[in-house]
Amino acid sequence: DIQMTQSPASLSASLGETVSIECLASEDIYNNLAWYQQKPGKSPQLLIYYASSLQDGVPSRFSGSGSGTQYSLKINSLESEDAATYFCLQDSEYPPTFGGGTKLELK
Amino acid sequence: EVQLQQSGPEVGRPGSSVKISCKASGYTFTDYVMNWVKQSPGQGLEWIGWIDPEYGSTDYAEKFKKKATLTADTSSNTAYIQLSSLTSEDTATYFCARKGAGGIDYWGQGVMVTVSS
Repeated sequence: DIQMTQSPASLSASLGETVSIECLASEDIYNNLAWYQQKPGKSPQLLIYYASSLQDGVPSRFSGSGSGTQYSLKINSLESEDAATYFCLQDSEYPPTFGGGTKLELK
Repeated sequence: EVQLQQSGPEVGRPGSSVKISCKASGYTFTDYVMNWVKQSPGQGLEWIGWIDPEYGSTDYAEKFKKKATLTADTSSNTAYIQLSSLTSEDTATYFCARKGAGGIDYWGQGVMVTVSS
């Protein structure tokens, strides 16, 4: 199975700041990577697919980049509603595998 | 609007089975594969398997081959997961999640399964 190593596990940032979250795959996943946001007690919401495509309705302050084994999610101009857990998912190869998640706290 | 409405929380005794439903609306049920995902504090997110509702074909992660059974009823646009021989390791939240063109795009609200005697 492809291992997805996500970092950092937690992150604290202030409103208006920019943050980045990384996912490192154990092998090339050919941009078959998605990013999700999950708030407590809620289902995950798709933010980015194919590494850099913004899902309809997702604010443009979210962006994704990367290739090969290294991918990142960037959130510009943090807003209070961005406090959540973020995780990546690869489906380049079955079984799909998830990153361990990043809990983003707003100061 | 795509919606995946899952059934309510379940409590199962060790060794028993539970069956969770996921009713799809807002799209053609047979056009998209349905995935199932387990979320637990200790193990994070784990992919269980998928079912193609049109053909009934399935695929499972190795770990869940003897644990989970996926089915779908096209007459009611509902996907199901049955979890058998429950143990404390099965206590978790279970999500159904549709696979769209760009990957898993819509998720159900999740069902908490608690295994307790």
